[in-house]
Amino acid sequence: QKEVEQNSGPLSVPEGAIASLNCTYSDRVSQSFFWYRQYSGKSPELIMSIYSNGDKEDGRFTAQLNKASQYVSLLIRDSQPSDSATYLCAVKWAGTALIFGKGTTLSVSS
Amino acid sequence: DTEVTQTPKHLVMGMTNKKSLKCEQHMGHRAMYWYKQKAKKPPELMFVYSYEKLSINESVPSRFSPECPNSSLLNLHLHALQPEDSALYLCASSQDSTGNQPQHFGDGTRLSIL
Repeated sequence: QKEVEQNSGPLSVPEGAIASLNCTYSDRVSQSFFWYRQYSGKSPELIMSIYSNGDKEDGRFTAQLNKASQYVSLLIRDSQPSDSATYLCAVKWAGTALIFGKGTTLSVSS
Repeated sequence: DTEVTQTPKHLVMGMTNKKSLKCEQHMGHRAMYWYKQKAKKPPELMFVYSYEKLSINESVPSRFSPECPNSSLLNLHLHALQPEDSALYLCASSQDSTGNQPQHFGDGTRLSIL
């Protein structure tokens, strides 16, 4: 059974701080990893995709992948109130569809 | 704004009605997906179309019937739905169905069954 685990939160950080969102997955033989942001009542929006071990940066967002430890994380620097949303981690294994974690709710206070 | 367009945005229907949800993308993607999402839950995969052929049906009840008329369009036909089918229905597309390319979601159709 392929599983993707996330802390549901809420994760609360002050404006300007770094928010760290974590995701673990059950099977080391995984291929592709994605972070989506979902505002309440809206559809998921792709934030980052990462395929290789290490860090990938895009603006204020950094995705980190460690396949040996089976975790993927998302760092949000200089957090803004507009970053308040649910962040979904999604993992794709060979022969399976994309599997989503339950999401972590982030709250950034001004 | 998203590049995957879903209509209608909201739909209220009775349990005896027949309706259809529509999804369109013009990104040249060859894989399209239907998901169902209940409040405070992650999206649940319903169907996958790859090159206009149904490749995955996640044991979805037959009251949901997907259709892919061409590579840009995806429909979901609804008939005799139950109140528990009320949810946000999301369409997504990706370049292919291997999973190496990210999926892009439409804004969804919020469905309410009376």
